[in-house]
Amino acid sequence: EIVLTQSPGTLSLSPGERATLSCRASQSVTSSCLAWYQQKPGQAPRLVIYSASSRATGIPDRFSGSGSGTDFTLTISRLEPEDFAVYYCQQYGSSSVTFGQGTRLEIK
Amino acid sequence: QVQLQESGPGLLKPSETLSLTCAVSGGSVSSGSHYWSWIRQPPGKGLEWIGYIHYSGTTNYNPSLKSRVTISIDTSKNQFSLKLRSVTATDTAVYYCARVPYAIYFDYWGQGTLVTVSS
Repeated sequence: EIVLTQSPGTLSLSPGERATLSCRASQSVTSSCLAWYQQKPGQAPRLVIYSASSRATGIPDRFSGSGSGTDFTLTISRLEPEDFAVYYCQQYGSSSVTFGQGTRLEIK
Repeated sequence: QVQLQESGPGLLKPSETLSLTCAVSGGSVSSGSHYWSWIRQPPGKGLEWIGYIHYSGTTNYNPSLKSRVTISIDTSKNQFSLKLRSVTATDTAVYYCARVPYAIYFDYWGQGTLVTVSS
């Protein structure tokens, strides 16, 4: 099973700042099989990025994904108030799906 | 717009079987390129994939739950279901159903349903 480790656990930033979230895999992940989700309190997760760098439908272009192999990054260029949430990375490989433990993005 | 809606009992006793159904609208569970999945989230914790199914009958389960889980699909009703046997308090969670293009990522989610296991 591929283990995904996200860092930092909590990121405190102000609106307008740049956010960089990391997801590291215990084994190499095919880029087409890495996704990011946003979850707000009381809501279901929402797909933000798939195939490591493709924005999902309706996701603003301030969100971008990058990376390959074992290191992947979600970047939010200029934080808006609605971006503060928990973010999860997820991979599919060897017929199994795993999620990272999440990064909480909070308002400073 | 695809919509998914979970339904089922919200309270179970230990050793009982959890049974949930996910009704799909705005899309067909018989779509060849999509799989249909269950994911759960214990209160205050992260996401755990339970398994998925394709309309052809192909299934894939989380190895940690495989011995207790069955996912089935009913194309005539456009829905799929989850059964989790011998539940304990550690199975208390919000259970989500989701669509999975090419079995890779989850693009549409249900709102989730809280299942509590308590004596």
